[in-house]
Amino acid sequence: GNSVTQMEGPVTLSEEAFLTINCTYTATGYPSLFWYVQYPGEGLQLLLKATKADDKGSNKGFEATYRKETTSFHLEKGSVQVSDSAVYFCALTTIQGAQKLVFGQGTRLTINP
Amino acid sequence: DTEVTQTPKHLVMGMTNKKSLKCEQHMGHRAMYWYKQKAKKPPELMFVYSYEKLSINESVPSRFSPECPNSSLLNLHLHALQPEDSALYLCASSRTGATQETQYFGPGTRLLVL
Repeated sequence: GNSVTQMEGPVTLSEEAFLTINCTYTATGYPSLFWYVQYPGEGLQLLLKATKADDKGSNKGFEATYRKETTSFHLEKGSVQVSDSAVYFCALTTIQGAQKLVFGQGTRLTINP
Repeated sequence: DTEVTQTPKHLVMGMTNKKSLKCEQHMGHRAMYWYKQKAKKPPELMFVYSYEKLSINESVPSRFSPECPNSSLLNLHLHALQPEDSALYLCASSRTGATQETQYFGPGTRLLVL
């Protein structure tokens, strides 16, 4: 079946540090890949997405590249801010899975000033 | 405008109560979703409506009853819930339900069952 594996958290960094959150997936066919962010007490917001191999999604300084050869979609940001503290979810959808978003377990990120 | 609204924000109910959660979007989306999220876990899909018809039911117990009265509105009727049903209930919508589309989430209803 389809699945997403994220690096275990929590992750704690200092402001202006470089961020990588690893995400790998198992899927039949060619999935669409997403990163969602959940701030405390809120719903999920789309951060970025990529729908085909080698696509790079980017938003608010975050980037992730769809790597089919390594089945990965790692999230990166060059300089994090305190306001980036949140839970980050990697997720996928597939044609076979219809409209179902399959999420990773989530990575809690805390940025200290 | 990419807003999905949900009411109420918080709900406390007893195991014998009947209550409803409401979700609304005015983006013209034709697919709407209910997810359940337990603390420190990812959301889990419960139901999907496509063009006002139920297209996916992820084997959800019958004490949860979804309803889609029109293309903008999605309800979740709750009856005889158990304490383990306490969770954040998230609604989402997407344009047509196609695989590569973004699902837009509401802020959720935090439910406590006593």
